[in-house]
Amino acid sequence: KNEVEQSPQNLTAQEGEFITINCSYSVGISALHWLQQHPGGGIVSLFMLSSGKKKHGRLIATINIQEKHSSLHITASHPRDSAVYICAAPTDSNYQLIWGAGTKLIIKP
Amino acid sequence: EPEVTQTPSHQVTQMGQEVILRCVPISNHLYFYWYRQILGQKVEFLVSFYNNEISEKSEIFDDQFSVERPDGSNFTLKIRSTKLEDSAMYFCASSVAGMGYGYTFGSGTRLTVV
Repeated sequence: KNEVEQSPQNLTAQEGEFITINCSYSVGISALHWLQQHPGGGIVSLFMLSSGKKKHGRLIATINIQEKHSSLHITASHPRDSAVYICAAPTDSNYQLIWGAGTKLIIKP
Repeated sequence: EPEVTQTPSHQVTQMGQEVILRCVPISNHLYFYWYRQILGQKVEFLVSFYNNEISEKSEIFDDQFSVERPDGSNFTLKIRSTKLEDSAMYFCASSVAGMGYGYTFGSGTRLTVV
């Protein structure tokens, strides 16, 4: 069974701290997705990566395909980064995503 | 930036009633999806739709669920006889070519069954 596991489940940090969220998956995948869910519920795709590293502003995502592990980093965190961050993997068919449980991030000013 | 639009944003219905959740995907997208998220739980896949037919569905998507693209722009999810456990946020998404490529989610419909 495809599994996507995230840690930590909850993370509270002070503004400015460097944040790391981890994701591991149990099967071979073509790419791993990081998404952000805002308190109102909306879901936004942040990254899709199949190797190496991607950077967008203060967000950095890395993946190690051999170890089946990915990390999402936030540099110089800000209260507006507070959200749930979810990693997800597409199935072989690419018709669906298998979702992690999410990491609830709170950045305090 | 193109958006996936979902209506209504919140719907309250009585148990046993039929509901239709509506979505307008991005116009040049060809693949359409419904996901749901029960409060406090993971997002779960319901169904994907391509070329006017279901391409994949999950165990959750049983006979009480159906999808339709009635007019070339809307994409609907119908729940025939709602149960309390159908209460969830329902997300529509669309993509150019599968979930391994660029996709966009709608902002969701919160369904409350009472």
